[in-house]
Amino acid sequence: GDSVTQMEGPVTLSEEAFLTINCTYTATGYPSLFWYVQYPGEGLQLLLKATKADDKGSNKGFEATYRKETTSFHLEKGSVQVSDSAVYFCALIRPTGNQFYFGTGTSLTVIP
Amino acid sequence: DAGVIQSPRHEVTEMGQEVTLRCKPISGHNSLFWYRQTMMRGLELLIYFNNNVPIDDSGMPEDRFSAKMPNASFSTLKIQPSEPRDSAVYFCASSLWGNQPQHFGDGTRLSIL
Repeated sequence: GDSVTQMEGPVTLSEEAFLTINCTYTATGYPSLFWYVQYPGEGLQLLLKATKADDKGSNKGFEATYRKETTSFHLEKGSVQVSDSAVYFCALIRPTGNQFYFGTGTSLTVIP
Repeated sequence: DAGVIQSPRHEVTEMGQEVTLRCKPISGHNSLFWYRQTMMRGLELLIYFNNNVPIDDSGMPEDRFSAKMPNASFSTLKIQPSEPRDSAVYFCASSLWGNQPQHFGDGTRLSIL
């Protein structure tokens, strides 16, 4: 069945460090891929998305590229800030479906 | 535009009591999802609706849980009777049908004593 696998957390980085959170997926066909972010006490918010192979989603300095050959959608940011501390979820949805498949989430803490 | 609105934000009640969580989806969205989030199990899909009709309730943990969507602008998730292991954050999300992003509410933090 469809699934998403994220790197284990928690991740702790110093401010201005480079961030990578790995995400790989298993799905039939060509799913759409998403990254969501959850700040403490809040719901999940859409961070970025990509709908086809080689698409790059980007938002707020975060980027992720849809890699069909490696079934991956790794999240990157060149210079993290304390305000980026949150839990990040990778997710997929089939092109003909309506149900999201979420990863387990990766907690990021950025220290000054 | 208003986002997904959930109420209450916090609920504390004793075991055995009935709990009702409420959700107002984004206007125009025709799909609605209920999730439960805990440290142990992460984010779990409980049930989802399309055009007010339940499509998949396989994630509902047991018969004590029920969900309804009487119209396009309102849904409830009910737990009766509640148990301490039901303590969690419950999220509602809505979207347009198809491979569209889901929009989440801020959740209801439920504590069953």
